Amino acid sequence: DAGVIQSPRHEVTEMGQEVTLRCKPISGHDYLFWYRQTMMRGLELLIYFNNNVPIDDSGMPEDRFSAKMPNASFSTLKIQPSEPRDSAVYFCASSLTGTSGRELFFGEGSRLTVL
Amino acid sequence: AQSVSQHNHHVILSEAASLELGCNYSYGGTVNLFWYVQYPGQHLQLLLKYFSGDPLVKGIKGFEAEFIKSKFSFNLRKPSVQWSDTAEYFCAVTSHNTDKLIFGTGTRLQVFP
Repeated sequence: DAGVIQSPRHEVTEMGQEVTLRCKPISGHDYLFWYRQTMMRGLELLIYFNNNVPIDDSGMPEDRFSAKMPNASFSTLKIQPSEPRDSAVYFCASSLTGTSGRELFFGEGSRLTVL
Repeated sequence: AQSVSQHNHHVILSEAASLELGCNYSYGGTVNLFWYVQYPGQHLQLLLKYFSGDPLVKGIKGFEAEFIKSKFSFNLRKPSVQWSDTAEYFCAVTSHNTDKLIFGTGTRLQVFP
């Protein structure tokens, strides 16, 4: 079975550029989460969706960050304009309602470096 | 708000040593508790989870964790570590009235042969 698929795996960009990270959740999963991992702050929940609807975006750092889920099989996290402090690994995860608890399945992550 | 504390940021052990990683959470209601592991260069994987029932939970690769409600703790243990256990370990909590999974800051474990 295919797991959560993220792209790109690595992105190096210059400050001020737009960055788009992509995620394909596991088929049939109805929850999708975006996390950011840094050395200083660990894993932070940015936003999550249920049935393609954003439920809680309180973790999104500021207006430069936006996320969409146009359908059940695709989500994007966009940073515009990007800044060096956005450098981190961004993980997407999905889960299924009704399973025994909130087990999340993570993608491989997108490592973003903003110069 | 829920939070998770992992007090051990970096643990260094020799093979065959015993391991205990601390995890404390702050939430007064019913919780679900998890330990995830992240091997170098890989994504997070579920190690074990607790929802209800026996507070001693056994996971993969010989790991176990004990839920002590009175102490708001969910410590991870392994009687004898191996070099291949070198990884970062994350404790996480969610409650029955939220879909959010909140992670601790992680504990980096290094095991030397």
